[in-house]
Amino acid sequence: GMPVEQNPPALSLYEGADSGLRCNFSTTMKSVQWFQQNHRGRLITLFYLAQGTKENGRLKSTFNSKERYSTLHIKDAQLEDSGTYFCAADHNAGAKLTFGGGTRLTVRP
Amino acid sequence: AQTIHQWPVAEIKAVGSPLSLGCTIKGKSSPNLYWYWQATGGTLQQLFYSITVGQVESVVQLNLSASRPKDDQFILSTEKLLLSHSGFYLCAWSLGDWGVAETLYFGSGTRLTVL
Repeated sequence: GMPVEQNPPALSLYEGADSGLRCNFSTTMKSVQWFQQNHRGRLITLFYLAQGTKENGRLKSTFNSKERYSTLHIKDAQLEDSGTYFCAADHNAGAKLTFGGGTRLTVRP
Repeated sequence: AQTIHQWPVAEIKAVGSPLSLGCTIKGKSSPNLYWYWQATGGTLQQLFYSITVGQVESVVQLNLSASRPKDDQFILSTEKLLLSHSGFYLCAWSLGDWGVAETLYFGSGTRLTVL
């Protein structure tokens, strides 16, 4: 299967709702990064994790290398959170990241 | 503060014509540099990376080539464009020793349409 499977492919939330995105890996990854791509195509770096959990405002990400997954949790969703979210994982080559298929998030008022 | 600048912002080109896209990073010495390609509505696919001047590694070729003529400059090019080259091209940089992936930072991208 694909080395990085991202779910769900699309997600619709109302403002104020909480939700989560997940990436499953077919093999052990050394690190994972999460990005948000806005409607202009700009990619914003959200998190880099080699292990454990990080939080930044309403966003929280966890990476479990042993269990081969990473999650991105969005709390109190806002309209500006809309966009496509990508995870990208490093297998072992360092310079090569494999991206998930993305989750298109729509936040509605 | 470090900045990454990509040019041009958008291009419309004919099949068979040449292409050159550029990327410049300021404020960081000896960054790792990357080219990514994204089909419309698709995910990102890494094309090339470079850890030092004059050294470029190909990940997926797609009939494209890349060069790093200066420490802060990364160029993507081809002599003959194909329809399949259409898409969004993103340059990115990171720091970190060889073999260690560090946080990626992306430029604003170039949208290429091949007709």
